[in-house]
Amino acid sequence: GDSVTQMEGPVTLSEEAFLTINCTYTATGYPSLFWYVQYPGEGLQLLLKATKADDKGSNKGFEATYRKETTSFHLEKGSVQVSDSAVYFCALIMDTGRRALTFGSGTRLQVQP
Amino acid sequence: EPEVTQTPSHQVTQMGQEVILRCVPISNHLYFYWYRQILGQKVEFLVSFYNNEISEKSEIFDDQFSVERPDGSNFTLKIRSTKLEDSAMYFCASSEEEREQFFGPGTRLTVL
Repeated sequence: GDSVTQMEGPVTLSEEAFLTINCTYTATGYPSLFWYVQYPGEGLQLLLKATKADDKGSNKGFEATYRKETTSFHLEKGSVQVSDSAVYFCALIMDTGRRALTFGSGTRLQVQP
Repeated sequence: EPEVTQTPSHQVTQMGQEVILRCVPISNHLYFYWYRQILGQKVEFLVSFYNNEISEKSEIFDDQFSVERPDGSNFTLKIRSTKLEDSAMYFCASSEEEREQFFGPGTRLTVL
């Protein structure tokens, strides 16, 4: 079945460091891809999305490009802040068939001042 | 900005008891979902609901679970007889279309 694999955390960075969180997927069709973020004590918030190959989603300085050839959707940010400390989830949803999100296991990011 | 709300934020119950988790989706949304996250594990889909009926459910969503939209605003998840393994964070989500889902803050269910 469809699945999402994320790099294990925690990822610990200093403020202003470059961030990459790897995400790869397995799907039988053409999914839409998402990054959700969960700040401490809060729910899941949609961070960015991409609905087709080569699309780039971006929001709040974060970016991710839908790479069909490598089945990847890596999350990047050029300069992280302490306030970016959270758990990041990569997820997919298929164009047809099942309409539920399939999530990765989440990656905890800790940014130190 | 409209948001999905959930109550209670934390529910503690005894094994075998019934619990009802409540959600208020975003008002113009038509699709509703429940997900759960057992501590340290992935967020897992439970059920989706559209047009007053279940549109899809996972293997987890067995006969102990039910969902209802009792009025125009609430969306509830009932667990009929809770088990220890039902302890998890339960997230409600809603969407206007079938892709971009907006999540509530979650209800932490602890079964003793």
